[in-house]
Amino acid sequence: DIQMTQSPSSLSASVGDRVTITCQASQDISNYLNWYQQKPGKAPKLLIYDASNLETGVPSRFSGSGSGTDFTFTISSLQPEDIATYYCQQYDNLQYTFGQGTKLEIK
Amino acid sequence: QVQLQESGPGLVKPSETLSLTCAVSGYSISSGYYWGWIRQPPGKGLEWIGSIYHSGSTYYNPSLKSRVTISVDTSKNQFSLKLSSVTAADTAVYYCARHRGFTAIFDYWGQGTLVTVSS
Repeated sequence: DIQMTQSPSSLSASVGDRVTITCQASQDISNYLNWYQQKPGKAPKLLIYDASNLETGVPSRFSGSGSGTDFTFTISSLQPEDIATYYCQQYDNLQYTFGQGTKLEIK
Repeated sequence: QVQLQESGPGLVKPSETLSLTCAVSGYSISSGYYWGWIRQPPGKGLEWIGSIYHSGSTYYNPSLKSRVTISVDTSKNQFSLKLSSVTAADTAVYYCARHRGFTAIFDYWGQGTLVTVSS
């Protein structure tokens, strides 16, 4: 089974900061990596799919990159409404695994 | 607009079977896409349970496969989850979701329903 290591587990940043979250797969998953945002009490929301594609309607300050085993999710300028937990999710051989999550807080 | 809504008992006794249904509106299940179940224990991360294609083909998380059945009822435009022999470890918010393709881009989610396993 492919393991996903997401880091950091929590992050505190100021409004306007550039924020970066990483996700590492235990083996090559090509670009089969998606990123979600989850606010408390709500369902996750798709932000980025196939590593770098911005979902329709998602603000352009969100972006993703990477392929193979190493992936990065970036918020270019943190906004107060971005406070949430972020998850990566991978696909391999009809099996899907989420990262452990990164809880983002405002400093 | 595609909408998904979970329904089912909020309390299940240990060793019994958890049963949930996901009603889909704004899109016909028989038209395509994959439909899945994901759960989230209180305060913890997300775990994929399994998925079903509109044709009825299913695939499950190996860690739950022996206890899980997912089925689809295209006439009612809904799909269902059954999880047998539940324990307290199965207490979680259960989400249904649509995903684009076998690479599981989960693009539409239900609001989630909390199921507690307790006697």
